[in-house]
Amino acid sequence: KQEVTQIPAALSVPEGENLVLNCSFTDSAIYNLQWFRQDPGKGLTSLLLIQSSQREQTSGRLNASLDKSSGRSTLYIAASQPGDSATYLCAVTHTGFQKLVFGTGTRLLVSP
Amino acid sequence: DTEVTQTPKHLVMGMTNKKSLKCEQHMGHRAMYWYKQKAKKPPELMFVYSYEKLSINESVPSRFSPECPNSSLLNLHLHALQPEDSALYLCASSQPWTTYEQYFGPGTRLTVT
Repeated sequence: KQEVTQIPAALSVPEGENLVLNCSFTDSAIYNLQWFRQDPGKGLTSLLLIQSSQREQTSGRLNASLDKSSGRSTLYIAASQPGDSATYLCAVTHTGFQKLVFGTGTRLLVSP
Repeated sequence: DTEVTQTPKHLVMGMTNKKSLKCEQHMGHRAMYWYKQKAKKPPELMFVYSYEKLSINESVPSRFSPECPNSSLLNLHLHALQPEDSALYLCASSQPWTTYEQYFGPGTRLTVT
C-alpha cells in the first residue's frame, strides 16, 4: 500500500527566505506526482505536475524535483511571500489507476 | 478554462434529510472524482467515474450515492447522514490516458446536525 509522507508538518519563516518542502513515497511505481496548495477551507490548486520520466518542473518561484528511485520529491519556493502561506500537499498517481494518494501536508506560514 | 465548479458552497442538513451536491466542468475531461476531507487531514478518495461509468468506489457507505448524468456533471446524493460525515467534499476532474493531472473545485462544506 502506497504511503506518502511530508516533512516538516509545519514551517514558519520570515518573508524573503528560500525554503524546501519534502515529500516521500514508499512505492516507486508511480505515474506522476502533483504538488497542490490549499488555503484554509478552500479547494486544492494544482501547482506543478511531474511525470515519472521527468526530473523537475518549474513555475515562477516554484521548482519541484522528483527522484523516483529513492521515492522522494522536493518543492522549492524562492523568495517566500506572506501570500505563500497555505498548506502544501503532494500526491502520487499509479500507472493504470486514476487514484491520487495524498501526503500528510506541510502547513506553511510566511511572516511579513 | 481550468475551472471546476461546485454547488452549494455550504450545506447544513439534518440526519433525516436528503440533499445533493453538484459538480460541473467544461474542460472536456472524461474522469471525475469525489473526495472527502476532514479538518487538518488530506483528501480521501470516495468515487471515480471514468467515461461516465463508476470505476472506483472506495468502500463508501451507501448513504452516499454518486451519479454521473453526462460527461460534464457529477452529483453526490446524500441520505441519512451521520454527524461524522461533516466535512469538506471536493470534486475533481482529469483527462484519462494523458497526464491524469487533476483539477479541483472549491468544495462544499457539509455540516450534519
